[in-house]
Amino acid sequence: QVQLQQWGAGLFKPSETLSLTCTVYGGPFSGYYWTWIRQPPGKGLEWIGEIDHIGTPNYKPSLKSRVTMSLDTAKNQFSLKMNSVTAADTAVYYCARGNGDYPDALDIWGQGTMVTVSS
Amino acid sequence: SSELTQDPAVSVALGQTVRITCHGDSLRTSYESWYQQKPGQAPVLVIYDEHKRPSGIPDRISGSSSGKTASLTITGAQAEDEADYYCSSRDTSGDHLVFGGGTKLTVL
Repeated sequence: QVQLQQWGAGLFKPSETLSLTCTVYGGPFSGYYWTWIRQPPGKGLEWIGEIDHIGTPNYKPSLKSRVTMSLDTAKNQFSLKMNSVTAADTAVYYCARGNGDYPDALDIWGQGTMVTVSS
Repeated sequence: SSELTQDPAVSVALGQTVRITCHGDSLRTSYESWYQQKPGQAPVLVIYDEHKRPSGIPDRISGSSSGKTASLTITGAQAEDEADYYCSSRDTSGDHLVFGGGTKLTVL
């Protein structure tokens, strides 16, 4: 059974760089879209972006200037970096898999990481 | 603001049928997905490609679409269906994924 295990620091100061990693267990890495989503406390879901299995990223336009996604295919991992964070970036961050044939269908999700930005 | 619009809250009596809707221009050209999220948990995909169900999703949950409106229907709602439901699709450019604001379903 495919599982996504994510980890990273949970507390950042304003202007720092957020960094999260997600490892894919029990399934192939190639052929899928690897996605990051966030959810501010008490609010809805927000797509941050995706990266395909060959490393081509696609970011939400309003976040594009601050976000970098990357792959480590040898480790079955994908990562998110977001620079210049502010309190508005406080959220639960999820990694997810976009189904190969239906990349918009996020069929496997990580457990979520609460990220707090505070001075 | 979201390009997909959902009613913030909907309620249904136990065993009855409820429809949750999602409106947006992008739904005319992009297939939608639906996610169920219970408190403190990650979302779960319940419908994709407008009407397909992943394995393990009960057949009382179904999806449909017409024009700029997508619908998630729960036939014979159960207590365990109480959750937040989010629609998603590609935006009008077709390049980026967007989510609706979510609908909180209460089963009475």
